[in-house]
Amino acid sequence: KQEVTQIPAALSVPEGENLVLNCSFTDSAIYNLQWFRQDPGKGLTSLLLIQSSQREQTSGRLNASLDKSSGRSTLYIAASQPGDSATYLCASAMEYGNKLVFGAGTILRVKS
Amino acid sequence: ETGVTQSPTHLIKTRGQQVTLRCSSQSGHNTVSWYQQALGQGPQFIFQYYREEENGRGNFPPRFSGLQFPNYSSELNVNALELDDSALYLCASSRQGINTEAFFGQGTRLTVV
Repeated sequence: KQEVTQIPAALSVPEGENLVLNCSFTDSAIYNLQWFRQDPGKGLTSLLLIQSSQREQTSGRLNASLDKSSGRSTLYIAASQPGDSATYLCASAMEYGNKLVFGAGTILRVKS
Repeated sequence: ETGVTQSPTHLIKTRGQQVTLRCSSQSGHNTVSWYQQALGQGPQFIFQYYREEENGRGNFPPRFSGLQFPNYSSELNVNALELDDSALYLCASSRQGINTEAFFGQGTRLTVV
């Protein structure tokens, strides 16, 4: 059974800092790894999807990497802004059809 | 705006009652998945519907059931509500496939008292 762990559970940084969020998973037989953002009490917004054959994906200030052999993914956020404050969730797709196994998330606070 | 809409946004029910939650999928998407998110935790997969059939189920009891309609919209039904069913219920729509992006609705906050 896949288990997804996210470290740290919470992070508080000053505006402008570059930061890294970590995601680890126990079963490397994944189809893809996805990163989401969730604002308090809201749904999830898709940020990046890394296919199992890829090493990284970039979107604006966000860069996500995937190392299947070690069971790790990282989300790098450059030049953080207060608007980046949210919970960031990673999820692995284990089966055909996008059935996702989520971590518990990292709560990020960017202070102005 | 993801195009996935859920109703209602909030709901309060009494233990033992039944509830129906609704989800309209994004245009062009034929697959709907339902997730339960307890406070402070990540979403847990409940089940998925594809072409009106259940296409995979997580570790949830049979009192959690669902439907998908010809227009790909979906319902989640929960019978005999328990206090632990209190959570945010999320619907995600996507195209069926290996590396297709999932688009989530805003969720339904269910409180069981």
